[in-house]
Amino acid sequence: QKEVEQNSGPLSVPEGAIASLNCTYSDRGSQSFFWYRQYSGKSPELIMSIYSNGDKEDGRFTAQLNKASQYVSLLIRDSQPSDSATYLCAVSLNSGYALNFGKGTSLLVTP
Amino acid sequence: GAVVSQHPSRVICKSGTSVKIECRSLDFQATTMFWYRQFPKQSLMLMATSNEGSKATYEQGVEKDKFLINHASLTLSTLTVTSAHPEDSSFYICSARDRSSYGYTFGSGTRLTVV
Repeated sequence: QKEVEQNSGPLSVPEGAIASLNCTYSDRGSQSFFWYRQYSGKSPELIMSIYSNGDKEDGRFTAQLNKASQYVSLLIRDSQPSDSATYLCAVSLNSGYALNFGKGTSLLVTP
Repeated sequence: GAVVSQHPSRVICKSGTSVKIECRSLDFQATTMFWYRQFPKQSLMLMATSNEGSKATYEQGVEKDKFLINHASLTLSTLTVTSAHPEDSSFYICSARDRSSYGYTFGSGTRLTVV
């Protein structure tokens, strides 16, 4: 069973702070990594994808990948109450393969 | 950007009846469609993968005769839940793979309630 592990939370951060979300995966062959945001009752929305070791920044979001440690993280800077949602980490072997999702981390940004 | 239209968004059906869920890729060709199911407080669990013109590949534990998947064209895939039971109540989400990019585009999901 290929696992994608996330702390379920809830992770509570004050508005304006940095939220740090973590994810580990078991399949060393994984090549594609994604972070999705899901609001209650809604479909996941893609935040970022990352394929190479290191950091990738997009606005307030930074994804970090360490394949040796089988670890991927998402940093959200200047957190806003509207960022409150469940964040899903997803991993796939390669393009064309299905995504394997973690259970998600619930983030609560308090005003 | 790529859009997948999923219908219906919500459906309530009686136990023993069948329900069909449609996913259409509106502006791209979806060579592969993935069907997921999500129970409350749980993550998305892959049910099956379908490629246009081929039979779907089901994940272990998913009954192929109960969850019928058709992917007859590059823009339409359907999931039919046959003889639905209350335990089939869940959030069903499709995800289309764009043949010209590396993207996965999700439908808006279908909330199925079997009473």
